[in-house]
Amino acid sequence: RKEVEQDPGPFNVPEGATVAFNCTYSNSASQSFFWYRQDCRKEPKLLMSVYSSGNEDGRFTAQLNRASQYISLLIRDSKLSDSATYLCVVKKSSARQLTFGSGTQLTVLP
Amino acid sequence: EAQVTQNPRYLITVTGKKLTVTCSQNMNHEYMSWYRQDPGLGLRQIYYSMNVEVTDKGDVPEGYKVSRKEKRNFPLILESPSPNQTSLYFCASSLSTGTSLGGEQFFGPGTRLTVL
Repeated sequence: RKEVEQDPGPFNVPEGATVAFNCTYSNSASQSFFWYRQDCRKEPKLLMSVYSSGNEDGRFTAQLNRASQYISLLIRDSKLSDSATYLCVVKKSSARQLTFGSGTQLTVLP
Repeated sequence: EAQVTQNPRYLITVTGKKLTVTCSQNMNHEYMSWYRQDPGLGLRQIYYSMNVEVTDKGDVPEGYKVSRKEKRNFPLILESPSPNQTSLYFCASSLSTGTSLGGEQFFGPGTRLTVL
C-alpha cells in the first residue's frame, strides 16, 4: 500500500464549479500535511498547509481527519488558472522527509 | 530573487557515462533534497541533506551519490547512469530546525534526463 494515495483523476470541471480532492495516508504518526500545486512540466509549489482545525485561503479549503487518516482540498468557483496537478504531501514521523502522493489532475473547462 | 537553480535543464546521455546535475540555492536554507518524478509514481526522494557535510538516503538512493560541501550547493552524481534512471529530477531546499525539516520546500525548475 502506498504511503500517500490520491485519485489520479483527471477531473474535468466547468468554470465556476466546486471540486474536491481526497488523499489518504497510511502512517498514523505523520506529523504535517500540505497541498502542493504542479503546473504541466513545471516544479511543484506550495499551495497551502493543512491544519488540524481545517483552514481556508480564499477559494481553497483544506481539511484533515486524523482519525480516518485523510486530507481533503476543496476548490470553490473554479477558474481556468486552477488547471494543474494537485499533490498531497505528508511529512514523515521522522520529520526529515516528505512523502508525495502521485497527484490529482484537474482541468477547468471554459 | 530567491530561487533554486539546476543545471542542465535537459540532458541526453548514454549508459555508463558519468554525469553531475548541479543544484544551487540562494536562500541560506539548511535543508536540501533531490527527487525524481516518474509517471504514476509521483515524486520520490533520492537523497537529502540537513546541513553541510550531513547527507542521508531517501527512498530511492541506489545508483546516485550526493555531496554537500557548501551550504548553497547540492550536486547529484550518477556514476554509471542506466536507462531506468531516465526521469525528471527536482532539487529542493527549505529551512530546517536542525533535526526537523521546517516550512515550505522550494523546488528548482527540474532536469529532464534521458539515458540511452
